[in-house]
Amino acid sequence: KNQVEQSPQSLIILEGKNCTLQCNYTVSPFSNLRWYKQDTGRGPVSLTIMTFSENTKSNGRYTATLDADTKQSSLHITASQLSDSASYICVVSSYSGGYNKLIFGAGTRLAVHP
Amino acid sequence: KAGVTQTPRYLIKTRGQQVTLSCSPISGHRSVSWYQQTPGQGLQFLFEYFSETQRNKGNFPGRFSGRQFSNSRSEMNVSTLELGDSALYLCASRGTDATNEKLFFGSGTQLSVL
Repeated sequence: KNQVEQSPQSLIILEGKNCTLQCNYTVSPFSNLRWYKQDTGRGPVSLTIMTFSENTKSNGRYTATLDADTKQSSLHITASQLSDSASYICVVSSYSGGYNKLIFGAGTRLAVHP
Repeated sequence: KAGVTQTPRYLIKTRGQQVTLSCSPISGHRSVSWYQQTPGQGLQFLFEYFSETQRNKGNFPGRFSGRQFSNSRSEMNVSTLELGDSALYLCASRGTDATNEKLFFGSGTQLSVL
């Protein structure tokens, strides 16, 4: 069964600290993995995409990693800011039956405190 | 370029009523998908439409239905509302079915069923 599991479910950190969010998936066939950021009351916004051949990709203070062998991805946030408080959703794409199917993780809710 | 527009932003209904939500995708986008988001469940996929055809459907009862028009605008209908239908309903569009194509989300419709 195709699944995407994220951990932790929620996280509280102090402003300026780093944190790492985890995403484990059992999706086959695998096309790509994308991290989305969702602010409260808004729709998710794409942060970064990882394909099978990519190990690391950065977007400002956000760095995503992918280990296709262990089927794990992480999102590392450096020098956190109050505006990083949001939910982070891991989404894995699987091309099957002639179209893309997206499998969503439940998300990690991050709270950055001053 | 205008983003994904969802109307209405907020909606209050009572049990047993029906509701119709609207989504206007980004101009030129042919794929529209719908999601239900509740605090404990994360994003749950409802269905996806591509060029007026429902291409994929999640595990929701038949009370949830949708359609897409020739201009790619989409509507979602929920009949015989239940208290558990209270949620944020998100719509997303994408231009193609390429495996690396990201979703563009609207801000959602917050539905409260009393």
